Amino acid sequence: EDQVTQSPEALRLQEGESSSLNCSYTVSGLRGLFWYRQDPGKGPEFLFTLYSAGEEKEKERLKATLTKKESFLHITAPKPEDSATYLCAVGEDSGGSNYKLTFGKGTLLTVNP
Amino acid sequence: GAGVSQSPRYKVTKRGQDVALRCDPISGHVSLYWYRQALGQGPEFLTYFNYEAQQDKSGLPNDRFSAERPEGSISTLTIQRTEQRDSAMYRCASSLERDVGEAFFGQGTRLTVV
Repeated sequence: EDQVTQSPEALRLQEGESSSLNCSYTVSGLRGLFWYRQDPGKGPEFLFTLYSAGEEKEKERLKATLTKKESFLHITAPKPEDSATYLCAVGEDSGGSNYKLTFGKGTLLTVNP
Repeated sequence: GAGVSQSPRYKVTKRGQDVALRCDPISGHVSLYWYRQALGQGPEFLTYFNYEAQQDKSGLPNDRFSAERPEGSISTLTIQRTEQRDSAMYRCASSLERDVGEAFFGQGTRLTVV
């Protein structure tokens, strides 16, 4: 069974203090590693998809990277508006259609001004 | 519509009653997913549709849970004989492509069974 483990569970940063969130996974056949952002009271919002080891994607202050066993979400010079829960998910390989996401528990990021 | 719409936003029901949760996906989205999310946890997969066909229902907890998408658009998740342990946030998501790709989530239905 797929497993997705995120660490740390919670992270407090000062504005401008860069850091990284970790997502380690075990999956029989990876069909995509996904990062989502979730604000309180809202549904998850898609950020990135990574498909192969070595792949990187960037969006504003966020950069996601992927290895064979884990993914990192790097946050450079964060701002208070980056505060949210960041969810990692893997797409399950089943008959060639990654229609099922297995989510981690998320990392609650708080950025203080 | 502009986004995935779920109704009702909040539902309080008595134990033993049946409830129906509705999801209206983004127009033209082929795939529709139902998830359940407990507080402080990531979403947990329940079931998935490609057009009107239910492709996977392996995440449905038991036979009290069922879902349909008869015309390949709006979907309904039905819980029969609700129990307190069914209380949770139920989320629907849709995506344009057959693969998961970029899934758009709705705001969810908060179900409370008393």
